[in-house]
Amino acid sequence: DAMVIQNPRYQVTQFGKPVTLSCSQTLNHNVMYWYQQKSSQAPKLLFHYYDKDFNNEADTPDNFQSRRPNTSFCFLDIRSPGLGDAAMYLCATSREPQGHTEAFFGQGTRLTVV
Amino acid sequence: DAKTTQPNSMESNEEEPVHLPCNHSTISGTDYIHWYRQLPSQGPEYVIHGLTSNVNNRMASLAIAEDRKSSTLILHRATLRDAAVYYCILRDRATGANNLFFGTGTRLTVIP
Repeated sequence: DAMVIQNPRYQVTQFGKPVTLSCSQTLNHNVMYWYQQKSSQAPKLLFHYYDKDFNNEADTPDNFQSRRPNTSFCFLDIRSPGLGDAAMYLCATSREPQGHTEAFFGQGTRLTVV
Repeated sequence: DAKTTQPNSMESNEEEPVHLPCNHSTISGTDYIHWYRQLPSQGPEYVIHGLTSNVNNRMASLAIAEDRKSSTLILHRATLRDAAVYYCILRDRATGANNLFFGTGTRLTVIP
């Protein structure tokens, strides 16, 4: 059974039209991460939540926001998508932030901007 | 953050062992060594992690150098399904969640 679920798997949005990607987890993990992965590149960390505490990476554009209304769900909001935001977006969870715990990833949402 | 260095690509014949190296010369005493892999069009999946001692699980083995400045992920018998990008990542035991950063990884090709 899938433990980190991302919906939808494929999302097409219009240039400049706000879009929300969702992630849910059945693991009851404290930490949730969002990554952006462009073609042939490694995943790039955008931000993460440790419980309710939000941590933004310094180079994450302001265009990207996140919400975590409860333990199970986390959302990635792209306020005004540009063509350069087309990518795979990955959600991950970890029971604790410390390095002795592993991370679990969803299958990703592939975003196309037209 | 401590960095890792991996070869860009490697090839292996099917059913032969594969040794994927990772250098992490600036590793700190509290860094765990994690390995993840990403199959085509899928999210990364956890493979194995360790701190000082060698580790084995159903997927692979992790051999950690005595000085911890390098490690090797060992796939005992490569299958076509093992073709993926393998990432070696350091995660600090102490500092917290903002330490799951991916490097460039090694693209493993398995030849039938």
